[in-house]
Amino acid sequence: DTEVTQTPKHLVMGMTNKKSLKCEQHMGHRAMYWYKQKAKKPPELMFVYSYEKLSINESVPSRFSPECPNSSLLNLHLHALQPEDSALYLCASSPVDREVTEAFFGQGTRLTVV
Amino acid sequence: DAKTTQPPSMDCAEGRAANLPCNHSTISGNEYVYWYRQIHSQGPQYIIHGLKNNETNEMASLIITEDRKSSTLILPHATLRDTAVYYCIVKGGGTSYGKLTFGQGTILTVHP
Repeated sequence: DTEVTQTPKHLVMGMTNKKSLKCEQHMGHRAMYWYKQKAKKPPELMFVYSYEKLSINESVPSRFSPECPNSSLLNLHLHALQPEDSALYLCASSPVDREVTEAFFGQGTRLTVV
Repeated sequence: DAKTTQPPSMDCAEGRAANLPCNHSTISGNEYVYWYRQIHSQGPQYIIHGLKNNETNEMASLIITEDRKSSTLILPHATLRDTAVYYCIVKGGGTSYGKLTFGQGTILTVHP
């Protein structure tokens, strides 16, 4: 199984809603990532988790709250988002015990904030 | 991680080889060249990586110049399904992270 599964695929939420994005992998990877991709732009890193601990936060606003409850699961909790937060949110995973490695990406959640 | 420069777009006829260039003139000795691609509305997909030798896998070939300041990704027989944005990324080894800095990439359009 070399898949990273993200749910839901699409999400529409109001600015006062609270919602969560979910990401799951069963490849035994101990590093997981959230990226944000605006239309016609490249993906931008948001968060990195290593061994279930947050290791990098790229100065992301607090309305985005990541969580890694176990080694297979990564969540992104959303609260009080703005319309400009509408984007494709990508999850990725990779091993941490190799010199050179590749990242495996999910298909993303397309988020629309209204 | 070193900065990369890629042409914004390229065209290729179906069945022909697609050669995608990338400049990385500030690459340092322990940095690898990675290529990913992103088909419309999907997540990025790893293609290949290399340090200084040419590399080939089932998807593509990677040619790195002797001075390592540039590289070329070759898709030997492009198909319509290869239409995508191709990202060249230079990244140090030893971190084993998927902490990738994506540039603007090259939009490759494969025509029938």
